Amino acid sequence: AIWMTQSPSLLSASTGDRVTISCRMSQGISSYLAWYQQKPGKAPELLIYAASTLQSGVPSRFSGSGSGTDFTLTISCLQSEDFATYYCQQYYSFPRTFGQGTKVEIK
Amino acid sequence: QVQLVESGGGVVQPGGSLRLSCAASGFTFSSYGMHWVRQAPGKGLEWVAFIRYDGSNKYYADSVKGRFTISRDNSKNTLYLQMNSLRAEDTAVYYCAKDSGEVLPSVLDYWGQGTLVTVSS
Repeated sequence: AIWMTQSPSLLSASTGDRVTISCRMSQGISSYLAWYQQKPGKAPELLIYAASTLQSGVPSRFSGSGSGTDFTLTISCLQSEDFATYYCQQYYSFPRTFGQGTKVEIK
Repeated sequence: QVQLVESGGGVVQPGGSLRLSCAASGFTFSSYGMHWVRQAPGKGLEWVAFIRYDGSNKYYADSVKGRFTISRDNSKNTLYLQMNSLRAEDTAVYYCAKDSGEVLPSVLDYWGQGTLVTVSS
C-alpha cells in the first residue's frame, strides 16, 4: 500500500491568511492526488484532483501543486467557510489511501 | 442532481453481521464505479472498498478483506456492503461515494451523508 504523511495535523490561522498543507507519499504517484474538504457532521467534498485541477464550483483561492511524492494544498486568502478538515488521497493504485487530515481552526 | 442515500446502519454485537445499502440517483449508476469509505468517531477517513461499474472487479482495504463484501445491483441503482464478523474497530460512519471515472477508477466526486455502524455488546 502507498502511505501518505500529511502535515500539519492542526493549523491555526486567521481570516485572510495564506495557508499551506503538505502531503508526502511513500512512493511516486505521478499526479494522481486529490484533496477533500470536510466540515463537522458533513460528508467530505472533492476540492482538487489530478494534483492541481479545481473541481467545478470550487473557489479559485484554493490551489494544488506537486507531482511524484510531494504535494501541496494552498488557500490563498482564508475565508470563514474554509475552517474545516482537509484530506489528501492518492488514486494511483488500490488500496486507495487518505492522509491523516489537517484541521484548519480559527486562531 | 447526484444523490446517494445510505441506509442499514445500527448497533450490532461483535461477531455479528450487517448489510448497508446506498441508493443512487441523478446519474447513470451502471456507468460508474462506486466506493465505500468509513470514518471512526473523531478520526480520519479510511477507504474500505471499490467495485467497478459492472461489478467485474472489486478491491478491499486489508482491514476488511475476507469479512466485507461490496456488491451492486444496477437494475436497482443500489450499492451494498455486506459486513460480517464485525469488530469494535469497525464502528464508524460509512459513506458511499461515486467514482468520477467512466473507464478507469478515479476520484470520489460525490458522497452520501453516511450511516452510522456501532459494534458493541
